[in-house]
Amino acid sequence: GAVVSQHPSRVICKSGTSVKIECRSLDFQATTMFWYRQFPKQSLMLMATSNEGSKATYEQGVEKDKFLINHASLTLSTLTVTSAHPEDSSFYICSASPPGGFEQYFGPGTRLTVT
Amino acid sequence: QKEVEQNSGPLSVPEGAIASLNCTYSDRGSQSFFWYRQYSGKSPELIMSIYSNGDQEDGRFTAQLNKASQYVSLLIRDSQPSDSATYLCAAEVYNTDKLIFGTGTRLQVFP
Repeated sequence: GAVVSQHPSRVICKSGTSVKIECRSLDFQATTMFWYRQFPKQSLMLMATSNEGSKATYEQGVEKDKFLINHASLTLSTLTVTSAHPEDSSFYICSASPPGGFEQYFGPGTRLTVT
Repeated sequence: QKEVEQNSGPLSVPEGAIASLNCTYSDRGSQSFFWYRQYSGKSPELIMSIYSNGDQEDGRFTAQLNKASQYVSLLIRDSQPSDSATYLCAAEVYNTDKLIFGTGTRLQVFP
């Protein structure tokens, strides 16, 4: 159990375009989902916490107008990178927590390359 | 500033040996702790959870927690080359639903 999917796994886009990444919890309802970014050889950096039906909470330094998060249901959260630039190229990973739990189950990640 | 600290490694152990990975945390309010394994280019995978002082065993893995010392460890018995990965320690941030992650320890198991 505790499977989280993420789509797409890899995307290449041109500078200035927007990219949407989907995160789904497949076998449990996730009241809370999280979005992380990881640069090569660095640790996970939490970008935002997403709760179903409410606005996401962004970490300090993360531009909420650039990284749009929508948690439309208990099994789906989306991250849209708007007006992407090459410096946004990174590995984006979502995670989900089951109700009442602190453990997070991670999706397989999306590797974004902006050219 | 809440922190979780780990030695970055690499920790090199021969196949069949016990690998010992350590982590300290700063938030005394943390009650839940987790170990994740991350292979290069992949996302983290939860391998152990521990919530109370003492040991928690699951197969070849044993997690140990000492809240007084704010110390968490992971022992991997009979290490295999397939255990070679980065191991991330995570602690619950008190009064939030977030986890704080260490920077990870890279483990290398050589045949």
